[in-house]
Amino acid sequence: QVQLVQSGAEVKKPGSSVKVSCKASGGTFSSYAISWVRQAPGQGLEWMGGIIPIFGTANYAQKFQGRVTITADESTSTAYMELSSLRSEDTAVYYCAREGRYCSSTSCRAAFDYWGQGTLVTVSS
Amino acid sequence: AIQMTQSPSSLSASVGDRVTITCRASQGIRNDLGWYQQKPGKAPKLLIYAASSLQSGVPSRFSGSGSGTDFTLTISSLQPEDFATYYCLQDYNYPRTFGQGTKLEIK
Repeated sequence: QVQLVQSGAEVKKPGSSVKVSCKASGGTFSSYAISWVRQAPGQGLEWMGGIIPIFGTANYAQKFQGRVTITADESTSTAYMELSSLRSEDTAVYYCAREGRYCSSTSCRAAFDYWGQGTLVTVSS
Repeated sequence: AIQMTQSPSSLSASVGDRVTITCRASQGIRNDLGWYQQKPGKAPKLLIYAASSLQSGVPSRFSGSGSGTDFTLTISSLQPEDFATYYCLQDYNYPRTFGQGTKLEIK
């Protein structure tokens, strides 16, 4: 059974950075994309970016370009999301999610089938 | 980026009701769409992938349909545990994009 376990809650000052980890177990880590999704209090889900560890190249949402860095360490089956220049609006729960592949005889499709438990990041002076 | 427009934003219904939530993509996405359920304080849960395929372990009262730009999630007979917020997500291309969510409340 695949499990994604995230690092604990963080309290950060405006202007600082935060790095959240997501450790995978019970499956093949390298060949599945890991995405990061955040949810501000009372708001919807927002995709931030993702990475396929075996390739090492990340995709980012335009909104976070230049402020977010997503990396993966295959040796420890851990993905990381670092967000810099934090502001109060970045206060949110941050989730990692595995993008599983579901294949029929003719095609494959993706879905976020396993999620971490979420990490609350609070940005406050 | 592909925009996902989900409606309604909220919905009141009773146990046993049939409900439908819709999601419209700003461009064609084949059937690269998933539906997720989220309860307060919990991570989202995958219900439907590839627009109409039921994830393992999800009750058969949940179903999805659609292709191209228009998609629906249907719950055939609401149960008490179904009151939650539902999101669609396109996985056709990057950046992935979610719908705004539909909060399903008890009438």
